[in-house]
Amino acid sequence: QVQLAQSGDEVKKPGSSVKVSCKLSGGTFTNYPVTWVRQAPGQGLEWVGRITPVLGNTNLAQKFQGRVTITADKSTTTSYMELYSLRSEDTAVYYCARGVTTLYSLDVWGQGTTVTVSS
Amino acid sequence: IVLTQSPGTLSLSPGERATLSCRASHSVGSIYLSWYQQKPGQPPRLLIYGASKRATGIPDRFSGSGSGTDFTLTISRLEPEDFAVYYCHQYGISPPATFGQGTKVEIK
Repeated sequence: QVQLAQSGDEVKKPGSSVKVSCKLSGGTFTNYPVTWVRQAPGQGLEWVGRITPVLGNTNLAQKFQGRVTITADKSTTTSYMELYSLRSEDTAVYYCARGVTTLYSLDVWGQGTTVTVSS
Repeated sequence: IVLTQSPGTLSLSPGERATLSCRASHSVGSIYLSWYQQKPGQPPRLLIYGASKRATGIPDRFSGSGSGTDFTLTISRLEPEDFAVYYCHQYGISPPATFGQGTKVEIK
């Protein structure tokens, strides 16, 4: 049974960076992308980007280009999302997710990592 | 591709039928359209993939339909546990992927 386990909640200062991990268990990295999604308090879901681990290629939403790096370590089946130059608007729950049934849906989700940006 | 969901909020009673709309700014291949349910404090849960296929363990009161730019999620008879927020999502074969802004189904 495929599961995703994320790293713990973070509190960061404006201008700093944060790196969130997402560990896959019950499966291996294949051509199924790992997707990152965030949700600001009281708001909807926002697509951040995705990585196809076996290929290493990433796609990012335009607003995050230059400020987000998504990587994947096949040996540990862990994906990472690093967000730089944090500002208060980046305060959100960050989720990783992956398809199981198809490449194009998000069957399995991590539990979420709350990132709080505050001075 | 922008996904616009309507209505923003749906106020219904248990046992009633819920019809949620997701309209895309450009045509979306059906295989790329999915629906999710989210309850407070929980990650989203996949309900429908490929526009009309129920995910594993999803009750048959949930159904999806549509193609091109118009997609619909229908809950035939609302159960108490169905009151939640629902999102449509398109995979973005030419990235980026996007989510609709959500429809909240609340108890009337």
